Amino acid sequence: GAGVSQSPSNKVTEKGKDVELRCDPISGHTALYWYRQSLGQGLEFLIYFQGNSAPDKSGLPSDRFSAERTGGSVSTLTIQRTQQEDSAVYLCASSLMGHRRAYEQYFGPGTRLTVT
Amino acid sequence: QKEVEQDPGPLSVPEGAIVSLNCTYSNSAFQYFMWYRQYSRKGPELLMYTYSSGNKEDGRFTAQVDKSSKYISLFIRDSQPSDSATYLCAMSTPYNTDKLIFGTGTRLQVFP
Repeated sequence: GAGVSQSPSNKVTEKGKDVELRCDPISGHTALYWYRQSLGQGLEFLIYFQGNSAPDKSGLPSDRFSAERTGGSVSTLTIQRTQQEDSAVYLCASSLMGHRRAYEQYFGPGTRLTVT
Repeated sequence: QKEVEQDPGPLSVPEGAIVSLNCTYSNSAFQYFMWYRQYSRKGPELLMYTYSSGNKEDGRFTAQVDKSSKYISLFIRDSQPSDSATYLCAMSTPYNTDKLIFGTGTRLQVFP
């Protein structure tokens, strides 16, 4: 079946502009995660949606970052007033909650964001 | 101090070599241990997972967990050029199984 898809694959934006990154999880997966991966850094957790529960936003680095998940499926990560330090690869993952291997996360290819 | 430490490499080995990749961690509550492989410009993919201590083998790959030392390893036997990738370790606790804490990744290059 189809895996996790993300769009756009690449995004170049000017400092101060807003950007929206999209994630389509695997159908039926109720958990969705956003991570940020910077050069030389590991995956930095940003936000996590689990079913109908309130999202875990503990990893969002500032109030310029927000995310929503509509209808328990597609998610959008929004970065307002982008800064150069926001340049990174933004990865989305999904997993099947309630399954004994809920920690098995399937990743999309990522969106490479460059802020100039 | 990061919860999970991983040498970033790069690690360069000849084809056929045995590769050892390692992570150390500080949180003794971690019980689930994963290894992800990430090819260039791709998302990570789950390679192996282990629960608690012990070894797990899958083909040329062996994952090992030593909880007493807070140390995990991934061994790759008969390494191939196609194994060239970044390998990330990840861990989680039983009460938060799907909130993974990742290492920074080790870049491996296997040359023919």
